[in-house]
Amino acid sequence: DAKTTQPNSMESNEEEPVHLPCNHSTISGTDYIHWYRQLPSQGPEYVIHGLTSNVNNRMASLAIAEDRKSSTLILHRATLRDAAVYYCILRDVGGSNYKLTFGKGTLLTVNP
Amino acid sequence: GAVVSQHPSWVICKSGTSVKIECRSLDFQATTMFWYRQFPKQSLMLMATSNEGSKATYEQGVEKDKFLINHASLTLSTLTVTSAHPEDSSFYICSARDSGRGNYEQYFGPGTRLTVT
Repeated sequence: DAKTTQPNSMESNEEEPVHLPCNHSTISGTDYIHWYRQLPSQGPEYVIHGLTSNVNNRMASLAIAEDRKSSTLILHRATLRDAAVYYCILRDVGGSNYKLTFGKGTLLTVNP
Repeated sequence: GAVVSQHPSWVICKSGTSVKIECRSLDFQATTMFWYRQFPKQSLMLMATSNEGSKATYEQGVEKDKFLINHASLTLSTLTVTSAHPEDSSFYICSARDSGRGNYEQYFGPGTRLTVT
Protein backbone atom coordinates (compact mmCIF):
# COMPACT_ATOMS: atom_id res chain seq x y z
CA ASP A 1 0.00 0.00 0.00
CA ALA A 2 1.14 3.53 -0.74
CA LYS A 3 2.49 5.61 2.12
CA THR A 4 0.67 8.43 3.87
CA THR A 5 2.04 11.33 5.91
CA GLN A 6 0.12 12.94 8.75
CA PRO A 7 1.06 15.44 11.45
CA ASN A 8 1.91 13.75 14.73
CA SER A 9 -0.58 15.79 16.71
CA MET A 10 -3.20 18.51 16.46
CA GLU A 11 -5.22 20.44 18.94
CA SER A 12 -8.72 21.82 18.72
CA ASN A 13 -11.33 23.49 20.86
CA GLU A 14 -14.67 21.94 21.57
CA GLU A 15 -17.44 22.79 19.10
CA GLU A 16 -14.97 24.17 16.55
CA PRO A 17 -14.25 22.53 13.19
CA VAL A 18 -11.14 20.40 12.83
CA HIS A 19 -9.26 19.78 9.60
CA LEU A 20 -6.95 16.77 9.72
CA PRO A 21 -4.58 16.65 6.72
CA CYS A 22 -3.07 13.64 5.02
CA ASN A 23 -0.51 13.59 2.21
CA HIS A 24 -0.34 10.63 -0.13
CA SER A 25 1.72 11.76 -3.09
CA THR A 26 2.32 8.21 -4.39
CA ILE A 27 -1.34 7.23 -4.48
CA SER A 28 -2.34 5.02 -7.38
CA GLY A 29 -5.53 5.13 -9.40
CA THR A 30 -7.10 2.18 -7.59
CA ASP A 31 -6.27 3.34 -4.06
CA TYR A 32 -9.17 4.30 -1.87
CA ILE A 33 -8.52 6.75 0.97
CA HIS A 34 -9.73 5.40 4.29
CA TRP A 35 -9.88 7.10 7.65
CA TYR A 36 -10.09 5.23 10.91
CA ARG A 37 -9.82 6.54 14.43
CA GLN A 38 -8.81 4.92 17.68
CA LEU A 39 -10.06 6.14 21.01
CA PRO A 40 -7.87 5.41 24.03
CA SER A 41 -7.71 1.72 24.96
CA GLN A 42 -10.14 0.72 22.21
CA GLY A 43 -9.96 -0.87 18.79
CA PRO A 44 -10.04 1.42 15.76
CA GLU A 45 -13.33 2.40 14.20
CA TYR A 46 -14.13 3.28 10.62
CA VAL A 47 -14.75 6.97 9.96
CA ILE A 48 -15.05 7.50 6.24
CA HIS A 49 -13.57 6.58 2.88
CA GLY A 50 -13.46 7.98 -0.64
CA LEU A 51 -11.90 7.62 -4.06
CA THR A 52 -12.11 10.90 -5.96
CA SER A 53 -15.14 12.90 -4.90
CA ASN A 54 -15.68 14.55 -1.56
CA VAL A 55 -17.71 12.43 0.84
CA ASN A 56 -19.96 13.19 3.77
CA ASN A 57 -21.40 10.97 6.45
CA ARG A 58 -22.79 11.44 9.92
CA MET A 59 -19.34 11.41 11.49
CA ALA A 60 -17.25 13.54 9.19
CA SER A 61 -16.50 14.86 5.72
CA LEU A 62 -13.63 13.87 3.48
CA ALA A 63 -12.22 16.43 1.08
CA ILE A 64 -9.98 14.95 -1.61
CA ALA A 65 -7.64 17.12 -3.66
CA GLU A 66 -8.19 17.15 -7.39
CA ASP A 67 -4.86 15.42 -8.01
CA ARG A 68 -5.62 12.99 -5.14
CA LYS A 69 -2.19 13.56 -3.62
CA SER A 70 -3.72 14.81 -0.41
CA SER A 71 -6.95 14.69 1.53
CA THR A 72 -8.47 16.29 4.61
CA LEU A 73 -10.74 14.78 7.19
CA ILE A 74 -13.15 17.38 8.51
CA LEU A 75 -14.91 17.14 11.84
CA HIS A 76 -17.49 19.90 11.68
CA ARG A 77 -17.90 20.42 15.41
CA ALA A 78 -15.35 18.70 17.58
CA THR A 79 -16.50 17.20 20.84
CA LEU A 80 -14.47 15.80 23.70
CA ARG A 81 -15.42 12.32 22.46
CA ASP A 82 -13.57 13.01 19.22
CA ALA A 83 -10.22 13.00 21.02
CA ALA A 84 -8.46 10.06 19.40
CA VAL A 85 -5.68 9.01 17.04
CA TYR A 86 -6.82 9.43 13.45
CA TYR A 87 -5.31 7.21 10.79
CA CYS A 88 -5.31 7.93 7.06
CA ILE A 89 -4.82 4.70 5.13
CA LEU A 90 -4.65 3.91 1.44
CA ARG A 91 -5.95 0.60 0.26
CA ASP A 92 -6.02 -0.86 -3.23
CA VAL A 93 -9.46 -2.27 -3.68
CA GLY A 94 -8.54 -3.68 -7.03
CA GLY A 95 -6.80 -6.66 -5.51
CA SER A 96 -7.80 -9.42 -3.13
CA ASN A 97 -5.61 -8.20 -0.29
CA TYR A 98 -7.87 -6.52 2.20
CA LYS A 99 -5.36 -5.78 4.91
CA LEU A 100 -4.87 -2.29 6.30
CA THR A 101 -1.44 -0.84 7.03
CA PHE A 102 -1.57 1.65 9.88
CA GLY A 103 0.88 4.52 10.09
CA LYS A 104 1.47 6.62 13.17
CA GLY A 105 -1.65 8.73 12.71
CA THR A 106 -2.52 12.11 14.19
CA LEU A 107 -3.28 12.44 17.87
CA LEU A 108 -6.17 14.89 18.16
CA THR A 109 -6.61 16.69 21.46
CA VAL A 110 -9.89 18.51 22.03
CA ASN A 111 -9.89 21.25 24.63
CA PRO A 112 -13.08 22.04 26.55
CA GLY B 1 -24.82 -4.08 13.17
CA ALA B 2 -21.27 -5.18 12.31
CA VAL B 3 -20.06 -5.88 15.80
CA VAL B 4 -16.85 -7.69 16.59
CA SER B 5 -16.20 -8.96 20.09
CA GLN B 6 -13.04 -10.18 21.75
CA HIS B 7 -12.62 -12.37 24.78
CA PRO B 8 -11.12 -11.87 27.22
CA SER B 9 -10.81 -8.09 27.37
CA TRP B 10 -7.75 -8.46 29.54
CA VAL B 11 -5.66 -11.32 30.81
CA ILE B 12 -2.67 -11.76 33.08
CA CYS B 13 -0.64 -14.91 32.72
CA LYS B 14 2.66 -16.29 33.97
CA SER B 15 5.70 -16.57 31.78
CA GLY B 16 5.80 -19.88 29.92
CA THR B 17 2.05 -20.43 29.80
CA SER B 18 -0.23 -20.15 26.77
CA VAL B 19 -3.12 -17.76 26.32
CA LYS B 20 -6.01 -17.99 23.86
CA ILE B 21 -7.82 -14.90 22.62
CA GLU B 22 -11.13 -15.20 20.77
CA CYS B 23 -12.45 -12.88 18.08
CA ARG B 24 -16.09 -13.18 17.03
CA SER B 25 -18.16 -11.43 14.43
CA LEU B 26 -21.55 -11.21 16.11
CA ASP B 27 -23.90 -10.31 13.32
CA PHE B 28 -22.11 -11.05 10.08
CA GLN B 29 -19.98 -13.68 8.48
CA ALA B 30 -16.28 -13.05 8.10
CA THR B 31 -14.21 -15.18 5.77
CA THR B 32 -11.24 -12.98 6.58
CA MET B 33 -10.13 -11.74 9.96
CA PHE B 34 -6.96 -9.90 10.91
CA TRP B 35 -4.86 -9.89 14.05
CA TYR B 36 -2.93 -6.82 15.15
CA ARG B 37 -0.62 -6.05 18.03
CA GLN B 38 -0.14 -2.62 19.54
CA PHE B 39 2.53 -1.63 22.02
CA PRO B 40 2.07 1.47 24.20
CA LYS B 41 2.30 4.76 22.30
CA GLN B 42 2.74 2.90 19.02
CA SER B 43 0.55 2.18 16.03
CA LEU B 44 -1.15 -1.08 15.19
CA MET B 45 1.06 -3.70 13.61
CA LEU B 46 -0.56 -6.39 11.51
CA MET B 47 0.48 -9.84 12.67
CA ALA B 48 -1.48 -12.14 10.41
CA THR B 49 -4.45 -12.60 8.14
CA SER B 50 -6.81 -15.34 9.20
CA ASN B 51 -8.79 -17.09 6.47
CA GLU B 52 -11.73 -19.35 7.28
CA GLY B 53 -10.92 -22.97 6.57
CA SER B 54 -7.31 -22.41 5.60
CA LYS B 55 -3.98 -21.53 7.11
CA ALA B 56 -3.27 -18.04 8.30
CA THR B 57 -0.89 -15.77 6.45
CA TYR B 58 1.71 -14.27 8.75
CA GLU B 59 3.50 -10.97 8.27
CA GLN B 60 7.24 -10.95 8.03
CA GLY B 61 8.92 -11.34 11.39
CA VAL B 62 5.91 -12.87 13.15
CA GLU B 63 6.57 -16.37 14.47
CA LYS B 64 3.77 -18.62 13.30
CA ASP B 65 4.66 -21.32 15.83
CA LYS B 66 4.37 -18.85 18.68
CA PHE B 67 1.19 -17.12 17.56
CA LEU B 68 -1.20 -19.87 16.54
CA ILE B 69 -4.25 -18.76 14.61
CA ASN B 70 -7.33 -20.84 13.99
CA HIS B 71 -10.31 -19.68 11.93
CA ALA B 72 -12.59 -22.67 12.14
CA SER B 73 -15.88 -20.94 11.39
CA LEU B 74 -17.19 -17.87 9.62
CA THR B 75 -17.69 -16.06 12.91
CA LEU B 76 -14.74 -17.11 15.06
CA SER B 77 -11.00 -16.75 14.91
CA THR B 78 -8.66 -17.51 17.79
CA LEU B 79 -5.12 -16.36 18.51
CA THR B 80 -3.08 -18.47 20.91
CA VAL B 81 0.09 -16.98 22.31
CA THR B 82 2.20 -20.00 23.20
CA SER B 83 4.92 -19.99 25.85
CA ALA B 84 4.24 -16.36 26.57
CA HIS B 85 7.04 -14.11 27.79
CA PRO B 86 6.96 -10.58 29.24
CA GLU B 87 7.88 -9.12 25.85
CA ASP B 88 4.60 -10.53 24.48
CA SER B 89 2.70 -8.19 26.77
CA SER B 90 0.70 -6.00 24.44
CA PHE B 91 -2.74 -4.94 23.24
CA TYR B 92 -4.05 -7.50 20.74
CA ILE B 93 -6.78 -6.36 18.38
CA CYS B 94 -8.69 -8.31 15.78
CA SER B 95 -10.72 -7.06 12.86
CA ALA B 96 -13.12 -8.71 10.47
CA ARG B 97 -14.27 -8.06 6.97
CA ASP B 98 -17.94 -8.57 6.20
CA SER B 99 -18.03 -11.13 3.40
CA GLY B 100 -21.52 -10.07 2.36
CA ARG B 101 -20.70 -6.41 1.84
CA GLY B 102 -18.31 -4.39 -0.22
CA ASN B 103 -14.72 -4.34 0.87
CA TYR B 104 -14.80 -0.82 2.22
CA GLU B 105 -14.83 -1.35 5.95
CA GLN B 106 -13.14 -3.50 8.47
CA TYR B 107 -14.77 -3.87 11.84
CA PHE B 108 -12.47 -3.94 14.82
CA GLY B 109 -12.85 -5.66 18.14
CA PRO B 110 -12.33 -3.78 21.41
CA GLY B 111 -8.93 -5.38 21.97
CA THR B 112 -7.41 -7.72 24.54
CA ARG B 113 -4.73 -6.49 26.88
CA LEU B 114 -2.25 -9.23 27.67
CA THR B 115 0.17 -8.91 30.57
CA VAL B 116 2.77 -11.63 31.04
CA THR B 117 4.43 -11.69 34.43
